[in-house]
Order: sequence, then structure tokens, then C-alpha cells
Amino acid sequence: AQTVTQSQPEMSVQEAETVTLSCTYDTSESDYYLFWYKQPPSRQMILVIRQEAYKQQNATENRFSVNFQKAAKSFSLKISDSQLGDAAMYFCAYRRGQETSGSRLTFGEGTQLTVNP
Amino acid sequence: DGGITQSPKYLFRKEGQNVTLSCEQNLNHDAMYWYRQDPGQGLRLIYYSQIVNDFQKGDIAEGYSVSREKKESFPLTVTSAQKNPTAFYLCASSILGIGGYTFGSGTRLTVV
Repeated sequence: AQTVTQSQPEMSVQEAETVTLSCTYDTSESDYYLFWYKQPPSRQMILVIRQEAYKQQNATENRFSVNFQKAAKSFSLKISDSQLGDAAMYFCAYRRGQETSGSRLTFGEGTQLTVNP
Repeated sequence: DGGITQSPKYLFRKEGQNVTLSCEQNLNHDAMYWYRQDPGQGLRLIYYSQIVNDFQKGDIAEGYSVSREKKESFPLTVTSAQKNPTAFYLCASSILGIGGYTFGSGTRLTVV
């Protein structure tokens, strides 16, 4: 079974600084997708960024970028120029590329990010 | 606007009563999912459905039941057999084969 591990229950960053959230996963599959979701205090889950395993290039979305190390099974999220609105719980998630699993997402335990003014 | 609607936002029930949480989507997504979230924990999959009239158990299906009579709707019933039903419940949907999920805003269930 696939597992996703986020080893940092809490992180903090100063406004305008950069922070990196860690995620590792375990899978025997070669075709899969990885995601970072943000859950602010409203508890609405928001997709931040996604990465296809077959792509070597790291995904970026504005101030958010990932460091995808397939051999090491590592998928970290870097937030640049942190803003107060970035404060939230961040979840790393994995999904197999095959449809037989029903496209189910497996989530890590989450990292609570605090942004200090 | 397309999206997923979960209702109600807050729900209170007495112990021993069954309760049904609503989830409706107008995104024309094939697959729908129910997750449970407890404090300090990630999301755990309860049930999911890829097509109408078919659904599969997730990791923590005991004490829950679902139906998928329409593509747009995937209600979750929390039965009296669920030992610790107080939690935050999230519904999601996706297009099969691509992309991540679109989530609803969640239902906070409290059993007293």
C-alpha cells in the first residue's frame, strides 16, 4: 500500500521569507501523481500544485514550487515570499496513475504552517 | 458556477441515531469520494464511487454507508454502528484518470 509521510507537524516562517515543507512517499508504482493541498482555517481544501511522476521538470505555480526527487521518493514544497494568507495546514497527497485504484488520493498527516508578520 | 455542495455545514445528533450527510456536484465528474478528518490527522478515505450504482469501501468504511443513484449525488450515512462519529467530513469529486480532486466545504458532525 502507498504511504505518504510529512515529518514536520508544524513549521513557521517570517513574512516575505522562504519556507520548504517536506514530504516522502512509498510506492512500487512508476506511474503516479503527487499533489500539495492547502487547508486554511475555513477548512476548504485548495489544490496548490501537482506533479506528474513521468515529468522530470519540477512544477511551479507562482510563488509555489516543488522539488521532486523520484529516486528518493521525495516531494517538497517551497513557498517563496511568504504571505500572511499562506498560513494554513498543508497536505501532501499521492495518487496512482492507473484507474484500477479508483483514482483515490492518499494523504499525509499534514504540516501546520504559521506565517509571522 | 460549478462546484461541490455539502450540507449542512454543522450537524448535531444524539448517540445511536443514524444521520445522512449530503454531497452534490455539478461538475459532471465521474468519481466521488468521502473522507473523514480528525484533529491532527490527515484525511482518511471512507467510500468512493467511480460510476452510478457502484461504490467501493475505503480504509475506514465500518459504520458508514453510501449510495450513488445519480451522477451528481453521493450521500453518506453515518450509522449507529460507527463508534466515534464526531469528526469533520469532506466530500470530493474528480474526473477519472486526470487531475486532483475538487472538494466541498465540509460538514462538521458532532454526536452527543
